[in-house]
Amino acid sequence: DGGITQSPKYLFRKEGQNVTLSCEQNLNHDAMYWYRQDPGQGLRLIYYSQIVNDFQKGDIAEGYSVSREKKESFPLTVTSAQKNPTAFYLCASSIGGLDNNEQFFGPGTRLTVL
Amino acid sequence: SQQGEEDPQALSIQEGENATMNCSYKTSINNLQWYRQNSGRGLVHLILIRSNEREKHSGRLRVTLDTSKKSSSLLITASRAADTASYFCARPPSGSARQLTFGSGTQLTVLP
Repeated sequence: DGGITQSPKYLFRKEGQNVTLSCEQNLNHDAMYWYRQDPGQGLRLIYYSQIVNDFQKGDIAEGYSVSREKKESFPLTVTSAQKNPTAFYLCASSIGGLDNNEQFFGPGTRLTVL
Repeated sequence: SQQGEEDPQALSIQEGENATMNCSYKTSINNLQWYRQNSGRGLVHLILIRSNEREKHSGRLRVTLDTSKKSSSLLITASRAADTASYFCARPPSGSARQLTFGSGTQLTVLP
């Protein structure tokens, strides 16, 4: 059953703590993405990776970090430097080709800072 | 930055009616995509239309693209309560075909 998974579904964090959100895909996709979504808003790109061991900042990378050590995995760390981290986080993947950039999304992780 | 904007922001219709959502953008594109998001869930890809296409159909969905007006529309015919969701347009930002820039979405409510 191919797809993209995120864990946990809900995450609570105290101020000042770092937390890591998991994203795994078995679609054999080269490209992976992290987005942040605030209530009633669209998606904003945090980081993306086109290939293993390479990633690029998106529009709102400050306070976040990522790694891409394996093709299947693209974890996102929300650091204490992120001033307003409470949001819904979505991970996505795509084949990565120029003409085929349809993205497949995971179910999301809702992060709440207490 | 978000460069695709949908309107209306919210739309409420009765079951069986058609729903039309519009998307405008600012720079040239090679394709535009529509996604659906049920509340609290991830997005699901609905349809991709390329810049050399004017219209595309998928089941009860019809998408049009007018590159001269830099706009696209999504029509859902014979709507059902299960169509209640947010709908987003997305397109590659200028200079990069590998990313997508998402609009702010239209929240569609279909009343039974």
